[in-house]
Amino acid sequence: GQNIDQPTEMTATEGAIVQINCTYQTSGFNGLFWYQQHAGEAPTFLSYNVLDGLEEKGRFSSFLSRSKGYSYLLLKELQMKDSASYLCAVMDSNYQLIWGAGTKLIIKP
Amino acid sequence: IAGITQAPTSQILAAGRRMTLRCTQDMRHNAMYWYRQDLGLGLRLIHYSNTAGTTGKGEVPDGYSVSRANTDDFPLTLASAVPSQTSVYFCASSDIVTGDTGELFFGEGSRLTVL
Repeated sequence: GQNIDQPTEMTATEGAIVQINCTYQTSGFNGLFWYQQHAGEAPTFLSYNVLDGLEEKGRFSSFLSRSKGYSYLLLKELQMKDSASYLCAVMDSNYQLIWGAGTKLIIKP
Repeated sequence: IAGITQAPTSQILAAGRRMTLRCTQDMRHNAMYWYRQDLGLGLRLIHYSNTAGTTGKGEVPDGYSVSRANTDDFPLTLASAVPSQTSVYFCASSDIVTGDTGELFFGEGSRLTVL
């Protein structure tokens, strides 16, 4: 079966750096997405990786290793507004998105 | 403001009742999707439509139906609601023709409670 694993919850301190990991086992691979979802709101797109390596976008970076079935989202200079759930999703060979359950990130002052 | 509009935002209904969740987008995206989100589970695809006039089943289609009469509208119908359909429902769209990433744009969600 297809599976996306990410930690259920993480806690970090304002101003620090946090890394959220995602491992996947899917039928084929056509890209990996990270979305941010604040409580009670809709998910919003953060990043997309289809080739191995690091993609940097401001305070957020996303890394992909296709051979290891592994990705991480790196958040730098954490702000209180970064408190949210972070969803990892993989597009399989049928171009369908398989979603992880999300990682709830709690930022403490 | 361009985007996706869902209605209603919240609804409580009795088991056995028929319910239609509405979804309209003004971005002219060709693909639209309905997901449900339950605590502790990832987003699960109910139905999708890659273009007007066509629909397909997702991971959890039972008890739900959709139609895509035009590009903008993609309603989701629960023919006879059951308590296990209590969930938050998200409509989404993407431009899978010109978009390299297939990024999804989500509506604000419809919180449905079936008693």
